[in-house]
Amino acid sequence: AQSVAQPEDQVNVAEGNPLTVKCTYSVSGNPYLFWYVQYPNRGLQFLLKYITGDNLVKGSYGFEAEFNKSQTSFHLKKPSALVSDSALYFCAVRDTLSASKIIFGSGTRLSIRP
Amino acid sequence: ETGVTQTPRHLVMGMTNKKSLKCEQHLGHNAMYWYKQSAKKPLELMFVYSLEERVENNSVPSRFSPECPNSSHLFLHLHTLQPEDSALYLCASSQDRLGLGNTIYFGEGSWLTVV
Repeated sequence: AQSVAQPEDQVNVAEGNPLTVKCTYSVSGNPYLFWYVQYPNRGLQFLLKYITGDNLVKGSYGFEAEFNKSQTSFHLKKPSALVSDSALYFCAVRDTLSASKIIFGSGTRLSIRP
Repeated sequence: ETGVTQTPRHLVMGMTNKKSLKCEQHLGHNAMYWYKQSAKKPLELMFVYSLEERVENNSVPSRFSPECPNSSHLFLHLHTLQPEDSALYLCASSQDRLGLGNTIYFGEGSWLTVV
């Protein structure tokens, strides 16, 4: 079955330190991968996506993600965390067997301490 | 501002009420979606519309009734809901439903509380 996993429910990072939010996936064929962020009481905001090409994808708010085909991973990264980055982050992958569907991970809560 | 607007942002309704959630997208997209986000659960896809035609209904109870009068507007009509239906309902849109690389853009959501 096609799936996406976010192994960490919570990630805690000090402000100014680099951050990584992990995501692994399982799909048939080529993966189409997405990251979204959800701030409290808000909808999901698109951060970045990988379709093809360069394995390092740059997105909004200084975030980037690295696609690793051999490890079937798409980890979200930022070189220097800000307190305002504290939010819920979702990794997602297109269901290649049912194009209407995008499969979301369970979410990782990122907490940046001052 | 994502280009997808949802109203109302908050709704409290009794189990015998009838209410509707509204969504409007200003992105020129052809596909629109309703998702449900409950605490401690993954996002659930409820309905998919493509060019005003419903193309997916993921086993959603009939007390939820979607309507898509045109490609810019989507409604979710609510009737005789249960307390467990309390959740954040998210509307979304994309250029079309088949493009695997198409980004899905979400609205801010409508918080529904059923009492």
